[in-house]
Amino acid sequence: DAKTTQPTSMDCAEGRAANLPCNHSTISGNEYVYWYRQIHSQGPQYIIHGLKNNETNEMASLIITEDRKSSTLILPHATLRDTAVYYCIVRVGGNTGFQKLVFGTGTRLLVSP
Amino acid sequence: DTAVSQTPKYLVTQMGNDKSIKCEQNLGHDTMYWYKQDSKKFLKIMFSYNNKELIINETVPNRFSPKSPDKAHLNLHINSLELGDSAVYFCASSPEAGPNNEQFFGPGTRLTVL
Repeated sequence: DAKTTQPTSMDCAEGRAANLPCNHSTISGNEYVYWYRQIHSQGPQYIIHGLKNNETNEMASLIITEDRKSSTLILPHATLRDTAVYYCIVRVGGNTGFQKLVFGTGTRLLVSP
Repeated sequence: DTAVSQTPKYLVTQMGNDKSIKCEQNLGHDTMYWYKQDSKKFLKIMFSYNNKELIINETVPNRFSPKSPDKAHLNLHINSLELGDSAVYFCASSPEAGPNNEQFFGPGTRLTVL
């Protein structure tokens, strides 16, 4: 299973962009990069995922490097409600096709006024 | 309107007891999961079911027995509870197996074993 490395914590000012990096140097060609977040005392929430192209949705943008060894999650205008632990996950599952998510320690993002 | 619901939200019990946690999803999903988040906040998958069939069992002790009466429900029964079972248990579901489908998580059940 490909592993991911994320900074333990990051700070961001409210209204500014939050850029959360993730390294996944052992990712294989058919593995996707997923981002989830967990706000305190809640269940994890899906944010975005991608294979090799950059992706954008209503929550965030995902930038994946050309060699796919790292990616960055961008929250364009962070709010206080974005304070959470952000998990970068590389999909595992082999040939079964079933989506087993392996969560690491994540990045604790603190958005301050 | 709750997509994935779990009951109870909190469960406090004595060692050695048997307890169940229920999970229901109203999203029409085929696949459901149980995850455990321990005191150090590590979130690990325990089981997954697809169309009521067990797909993933992550070397969870036999004291844990998931049961899926239908596609919309995946319950977790725990026998002979131990102190180490104290954790937050999350149920999740996804539309179908595959890389493009996000998982929707429930609010969690905080189990405390005394």
